[in-house]
Amino acid sequence: GQNIDQPTEMTATEGAIVQINCTYQTSGFNGLFWYQQHAGEAPTFLSYNVLDGLEEKGRFSSFLSRSKGYSYLLLKELQMKDSASYLCAVYDSNYQLIWGAGTKLIIKP
Amino acid sequence: IAGITQAPTSQILAAGRRMTLRCTQDMRHNAMYWYRQDLGLGLRLIHYSNTAGTTGKGEVPDGYSVSRANTDDFPLTLASAVPSQTSVYFCASSIDGGATDTQYFGPGTRLTVL
Repeated sequence: GQNIDQPTEMTATEGAIVQINCTYQTSGFNGLFWYQQHAGEAPTFLSYNVLDGLEEKGRFSSFLSRSKGYSYLLLKELQMKDSASYLCAVYDSNYQLIWGAGTKLIIKP
Repeated sequence: IAGITQAPTSQILAAGRRMTLRCTQDMRHNAMYWYRQDLGLGLRLIHYSNTAGTTGKGEVPDGYSVSRANTDDFPLTLASAVPSQTSVYFCASSIDGGATDTQYFGPGTRLTVL
């Protein structure tokens, strides 16, 4: 079966750095997405990786290792507004997005 | 530009009733999707449409139907609602459903079936 694993919840301090991991086992791989979802709101796009390596976008970076079935989202200089759930999703061989359950990130002052 | 709109925002429904959730996008995207999101589970695809006039089944299609008469609208119908269909429903769209496509989400409909 297809599976995407993320930690359920993480806590970090304002101004710090946090890394959210995602491991996947899917039938084929056609790219990996990270989305942010604030409570009660819709998911919004953060990043996309299809090749191995690090993609940097401001305070957020995303890394992919296809051989290990592994990705992480790195958030720097954490702000209170970063408190949200972070969803990892993989395009499988049928070009359907398979979603992880999400990681709830709690930021403390 | 509104992006994607969904209606209603929330609804309480008696079991056995028929319900249509509406979704409209103004981005001229070819592909549209319906997901449900339940606590502790990832988003699960119900149905999708890669272009007007075509639809496909996702991971959890039973009890739901869709239609795609035009590019902008993609309604989701529950023919006879059951309590297990209590969930938050998100409509999404993307340019053409390809591998690099980013999906953009509507605000969601919170549905409670009693």
